[in-house]
Amino acid sequence: QQQVKQSPQSLIVQKGGIPIINCAYENTAFDYFPWYQQFPGKGPALLIAIRPDVSEKKEGRFTISFNKSAKQFSLHIMDSQPGDSATYFCAASGGSNYKLTFGKGTLLTVNP
Amino acid sequence: DAGVIQSPRHEVTEMGQEVTLRCKPISGHDYLFWYRQTMMRGLELLIYFNNNVPIDDSGMPEDRFSAKMPNASFSTLKIQPSEPRDSAVYFCASSPGLGKTQYFGPGTRLLVL
Repeated sequence: QQQVKQSPQSLIVQKGGIPIINCAYENTAFDYFPWYQQFPGKGPALLIAIRPDVSEKKEGRFTISFNKSAKQFSLHIMDSQPGDSATYFCAASGGSNYKLTFGKGTLLTVNP
Repeated sequence: DAGVIQSPRHEVTEMGQEVTLRCKPISGHDYLFWYRQTMMRGLELLIYFNNNVPIDDSGMPEDRFSAKMPNASFSTLKIQPSEPRDSAVYFCASSPGLGKTQYFGPGTRLLVL
């Protein structure tokens, strides 16, 4: 059973656009929601993370929006740049253990 | 710090052969994780260790897979015998604690012919 559903699978935007990637989770025990960024040939790297005590967190051009009642969270990238082209993974953990459960990933392409 | 180190970066082998993947975590990190990444299944946690002790191996696909952590600075993931469906990118990650950032290595791209 997939516990974190991510959409879309792929996304193409023009430079300066605002791509939005969405994730939904099922386990109400989750209390840590990170986003990872992965470039080709590299391992995933933490981009930004949020805990459910806040509804939004911003770091630079990256913003996480969190809706606890809907069990959804999303990543927004403001003023996207070609260098943001990568695969983005949402993840969640919490409860009796803190194993990270990852979404399937979104391949983002930002055209110049 | 050099980050998480994995070797080899690429491995091509034939079905039935033994494959050993190696990982050196970041010094001082108490948790070590092994993941497998495929297009179909995404990133899957195989096993994780705390202070060199395996805590959860429920993600290990079958008995052909085994993992060890003989000391705080070294871990191995072994596949014996390997099969074509084991072809994937295998990542090692380490973390200073559960619920804290996991730092991933560059991965080992495994191709089993």
